[in-house]
Formats: sequence, C-alpha cells, structure tokens
Amino acid sequence: LAKTTQPISMDSYEGQEVNITCSHNNIATNDYITWYQQFPSQGPRFIIQGYKTKVTNEVASLFIPADRKSSTLSLPRVSLSDTAVYYCLVERLEAAGNKLTFGGGTRVLVKP
Amino acid sequence: DTAVSQTPKYLVTQMGNDKSIKCEQNLGHDTMYWYKQDSKKFLKIMFSYNNKELIINETVPNRFSPKSPDKAHLNLHINSLELGDSAVYFCASSQDWGIWGQEGSPLHFGNGTRLTVT
Repeated sequence: LAKTTQPISMDSYEGQEVNITCSHNNIATNDYITWYQQFPSQGPRFIIQGYKTKVTNEVASLFIPADRKSSTLSLPRVSLSDTAVYYCLVERLEAAGNKLTFGGGTRVLVKP
Repeated sequence: DTAVSQTPKYLVTQMGNDKSIKCEQNLGHDTMYWYKQDSKKFLKIMFSYNNKELIINETVPNRFSPKSPDKAHLNLHINSLELGDSAVYFCASSQDWGIWGQEGSPLHFGNGTRLTVT
C-alpha cells in the first residue's frame, strides 16, 4: 500500500479554515484516500473518502488533484471541539476486507 | 446506543498473566478487526475476521489469539503478557466492501482498551 506523509502537528484558531495536506506518491489505480479523526480516549472516526477531484460532506471537504499523489482535507470554520488527530490513509479495496495501517497522523490544536 | 463496544476500558496486569478483551458490534457488519495503537499513535492492524473466519493475521506473536464466536463478537486473548504488550487495543468493524460498490467501507472503532503490563 502507498505510504502517506502528513505534517505532525498544526495549530489554528476558532473560526479559521484548516487544511491538512497528505502526500501519497505511490498511490495505485484502485486505491482510495480516506481520512479519520481521533479524539483523546476514543477510537478513530471516519470523516471522508474520495478517489479524485473534490468530495464534500457535512464535516469536511477533500481535494484530490488529477495525479492523485496528494490530497488535502479542509475543515471549514473550526471550533475548539475539532482539536484531534487526523489520519490520512490510502485504502485498497480487497475482497478480504480493509487492511489499513494508520500513520502518526496530524495533531490539530484549535485555540480560542 | 454504542455501535462497537469493548471491555474492559482499562486493564492493568502483571507480566506473565493471561488476559482477554471482549468486543461486540451491533451494526450488522460482516468484518471485525483488532488494532494496536502504540505510544506514538501509530495504529497497526493485528487481525481481521469476516463472518467468523480469520482473513488477516499480521505478524503478531502467537501469544495473541482472537476468537469470534459469532460475527458480532471478536475477542482477543493474550497469554503470558509482556511489558511490550502495553498499548491501547482497538476493536473495529466494517461492512463488506462489495456492498458499498465502488466506495470503501469505513471502519467503525470502539473506544479502546488501555492495557498496562507491569
């Protein structure tokens, strides 16, 4: 599976937009890009998934350029409760089920 | 109404003991997993079961033995615990990817079991 690289940490302020970019240079044709969010003392929670171009849901947007070698998770108007670790993953859909290894993630700290 | 629940939340034990962690999901998913999260927050898959059958078994010491009595439960038994086993263990579940068509099937995680071996 393609290795992912993302910043270790980011600081932001309430009301700002937070953009986290993830590199996945060796992504394959049948790989999807998935992002999870993890709060302290909780398990990761699925945020968004995409294959190409732009995907938007009620929580975030995911921008994927044409070459798919990177992706950017955009969190609009963050609040203090968005402080968490955000994981970028490349997911290969195999019949045997997902086989995901999460990297260290990006620690986002939202300040008042 | 918890979707994926695991017990206990905390487990403190001594080296050499045997312990179990239980996991149950009420989402009707076909696939369940055990993940281990180390101190650097890396989450690594250990096992995956699909409809009670083992389908993924990563390089994990055979002191770790998963058991799936039915597709809603996946328990993890650990024999002869070692200091290096201290970590947070997460149970997760997902639906078969085929049902989602071209999209992936998200993982639904429990809140973890923090195991401390002294």
